[in-house]
Amino acid sequence: GIQVEQSPPDLILQEGANSTLRCNFSDSVNNLQWFHQNPWGQLINLFYIPSGTKQNGRLSATTVATERYSLLYISSSQTTDSGVYFCAVAYGGATNKLIFGTGTLLAVQP
Amino acid sequence: DVKVTQSSRYLVKRTGEKVFLECVQDMDHENMFWYRQDPGLGLRLIYFSYDVKMKEKGDIPEGYSVSREKKERFSLILESASTNQTSMYLCASSLRPGGGGYEQYFGPGTRLTVT
Repeated sequence: GIQVEQSPPDLILQEGANSTLRCNFSDSVNNLQWFHQNPWGQLINLFYIPSGTKQNGRLSATTVATERYSLLYISSSQTTDSGVYFCAVAYGGATNKLIFGTGTLLAVQP
Repeated sequence: DVKVTQSSRYLVKRTGEKVFLECVQDMDHENMFWYRQDPGLGLRLIYFSYDVKMKEKGDIPEGYSVSREKKERFSLILESASTNQTSMYLCASSLRPGGGGYEQYFGPGTRLTVT
């Protein structure tokens, strides 16, 4: 099956710093999503981005489908950005089953 | 905004009990999913449903069953709860793709502890 790898596994930042999270996947996909899991466990949708570039405030994402990777950029990080960031992909068929990466644990220190 | 709700945020059950986890979505989505999340194992798909009364097994269906009698509601059933089913359970929904993918939306999760 398809493999999804995220890097780095852990990241510690000072407030105000920028960061880039990476997601590599091993096959063609028709869905790629970035999520932020908050301390209460809820998965918050950040981007639905099977290809191209999107921006939402301080966050932006780019997926290069032909090279099988996606990047999530966080600029001017805040302590509320802390948590786990997941990349998830779906491929083939009509079922839209998501395969999740192992996540990046981000800690933003004041 | 899409809203996915789950019946409980926290649940404590005893071994052998029958447990029902309920999920409701308000966006007329065809697809609904149940995942569980465990430290070191990530999120794994238990079951999904692509229409009323239709279901398919995911990656870890053993010990679970599901029910979808109405389009907006998808229930996960633990027939006889065991301690290894202590986990975070997440429900999700999406439109049914017609050749492409569609964004999945998640509920707040249920932390189930089986003692």
